[in-house]
Amino acid sequence: NAGVTQTPKFQVLKTGQSMTLQCAQDMNHEYMSWYRQDPGMGLRLIHYSVGAGITDQGEVPNGYNVSRSTTEDFPLRLLSAAPSQTSVYFCASRPRVAETQYFGPGTRLLVL
Amino acid sequence: SQQGEEDPQALSIQEGENATMNCSYKTSINNLQWYRQNSGRGLVHLILIRSNEREKHSGRLRVTLDTSKKSSSLLITASRAADTASYFCATDGRGNTPLVFGKGTRLSVIA
Repeated sequence: NAGVTQTPKFQVLKTGQSMTLQCAQDMNHEYMSWYRQDPGMGLRLIHYSVGAGITDQGEVPNGYNVSRSTTEDFPLRLLSAAPSQTSVYFCASRPRVAETQYFGPGTRLLVL
Repeated sequence: SQQGEEDPQALSIQEGENATMNCSYKTSINNLQWYRQNSGRGLVHLILIRSNEREKHSGRLRVTLDTSKKSSSLLITASRAADTASYFCATDGRGNTPLVFGKGTRLSVIA
């Protein structure tokens, strides 16, 4: 199993540009989440999904959209990038609620 | 808002010593989990302790949970330089709620 994969690893955007961060898992996990990590802030939840077709907002959802059309994929879209979205983004999945979570390697995003 | 809060924020010890990190949380939980993050990498799961458990061991790791005080501790015994990392606690609430992380403890083990 490849586990949780994320692409790209690094990305530089200009303010106002849009892009999609890709996340995929091959473990048939129902539950997927997106977090952002900023220095001194730990991990903050952006959006999560408890299954295909179901998504919900986390702590910091503004400026981001998600969709879950398949069990495997959970892309994160930045609608109009802002410097405040400079961060490291982690995707994670787990079989169901109340279980161990598996993380991808992260995407480093710099917005100029 | 973040549920778990780790203490201390940073910890520096000598190789061979024990390291203890604490986590406090605010609301009822289903379980509490500890994760490790090496610099620049994704988080790796260490141990999960359920709300009806008081203590759990895994190798050199010992986790305790006190639901009456809403707190947990992670003990790493006989630390090694390779244990240098950030350690996060995460809480699973009741129902279908997502895992919520604290801000982490940065552990430095000096050889």
